[in-house]
Amino acid sequence: EVLVLESGGDLVQPGGSLRLSCVASGFSFKDYAMGWVRQAPGKGLEWVSSISFSGREVFYADSVKGRFTMSRDNSKYTLYLQMHNLRAEDTAVYFCAKIGLASANFNYWGQGTLVTVSS
Amino acid sequence: DIQMTQSPSTLSASVGDRVTITCRASQSISDWLAWYQQKPGKAPELLIYRASSLEGGVPSRFSGSGFGTEFTLTISSLQPDDFATYYCQHYNSYSRTFGQGTKLEIK
Repeated sequence: EVLVLESGGDLVQPGGSLRLSCVASGFSFKDYAMGWVRQAPGKGLEWVSSISFSGREVFYADSVKGRFTMSRDNSKYTLYLQMHNLRAEDTAVYFCAKIGLASANFNYWGQGTLVTVSS
Repeated sequence: DIQMTQSPSTLSASVGDRVTITCRASQSISDWLAWYQQKPGKAPELLIYRASSLEGGVPSRFSGSGFGTEFTLTISSLQPDDFATYYCQHYNSYSRTFGQGTKLEIK
């Protein structure tokens, strides 16, 4: 069974930093691109970042470019999202998701981890 | 940047109805469009990719169509489990953009 499990969400002050992790299981992690999608409370979905299977290519939404860094450790089946200079508008549930080979879209999602940016 | 606009924002319908949700792109995106369903408190689920390809395990009452700038998601006969929020999403090799969502409510 394919599973992805996020962790690391917390309450952080504006300007602070936080690292999210996503541990995957049930598939050959090193063969799949992955991504992060977030959802502010009561709002829609927003794509944050995607990473190739090797980790050599990483793409970001303009809203997080220069502040967030996505990476992966294929030996640990783990995805990371390092977030710096956090703003109130970064408050959201952050979902980690696997990108399917055939669909090129997010076909397995975690349950999400909540990041709250507030003083 | 490409913008994705869904209509309507909210749709009221009854079990058994045929419903259609529209998604428009601000410029041509070929058929690089996906649809997701999200229920409250849950992660989204992929329904359709490449505008009209059904993801494995998704019921055949869901279908997608369109090309260029206008796309539709159709549910042929609404079931109780289908009341949820639906999102379209443009994708390419380096970015993804979601529509604002359409909430499908029970009439």
